[in-house]
Amino acid sequence: GIQVEQSPPDLILQEGANSTLRCNFSDSVNNLQWFHQNPWGQLINLFYIPSGTKQNGRLSATTVATERYSLLYISSSQTTDSGVYFCAVQGGSEKLVFGKGMKLTVNP
Amino acid sequence: GAGVSQSPRYKVAKRGQDVALRCDPISGHVSLFWYQQALGQGPEFLTYFQNEAQLDKSGLPSDRFFAERPEGSVSTLKIQRTQQEDSAVYLCASAGGGTDTQYFGPGTRLTVL
Repeated sequence: GIQVEQSPPDLILQEGANSTLRCNFSDSVNNLQWFHQNPWGQLINLFYIPSGTKQNGRLSATTVATERYSLLYISSSQTTDSGVYFCAVQGGSEKLVFGKGMKLTVNP
Repeated sequence: GAGVSQSPRYKVAKRGQDVALRCDPISGHVSLFWYQQALGQGPEFLTYFQNEAQLDKSGLPSDRFFAERPEGSVSTLKIQRTQQEDSAVYLCASAGGGTDTQYFGPGTRLTVL
């Protein structure tokens, strides 16, 4: 089945810093989503982005489907950005296949 | 509008007990998914419904796991004779269609003692 790799696995930042999260996937995809899992475990949708670039406030994402990767940019990070970020893809079936996640800690 | 809701939010079961976890999807969403998330891991697919039809149950770990969605709306995930390895967060997601954005509920944290 399709494989999803996220990097880096962990990241510690000072408030105000910028960061880039990377997601590599092993096959063509119909859907790619980025999620933020908050400390209470809720998966919050950030982007639905099978291709192209989207922006939402301080967050933006780019997926280059032909090269099988996606990037999530966080600018001017805040302590509330802390949590785990997941990339998930749909390949040949409807199920989402998740990466192992990236734990972000933003210190004040 | 209301998002995906799940109940109970927390469940403690003794080994060998049966449990039932409920998911209320977003109104009108055709697709419903169940995922299992172990501590420190990403969610893993269990099963998928389109309306009342269970189209994919390839992720169910054993025949002790059973899911249904009889009227194409609310879904129940049942685990029989729970084991300690079943301890995890069980997440439900719904989508307007098969490849549309999936929206997740808050999850049910199951602890088997």
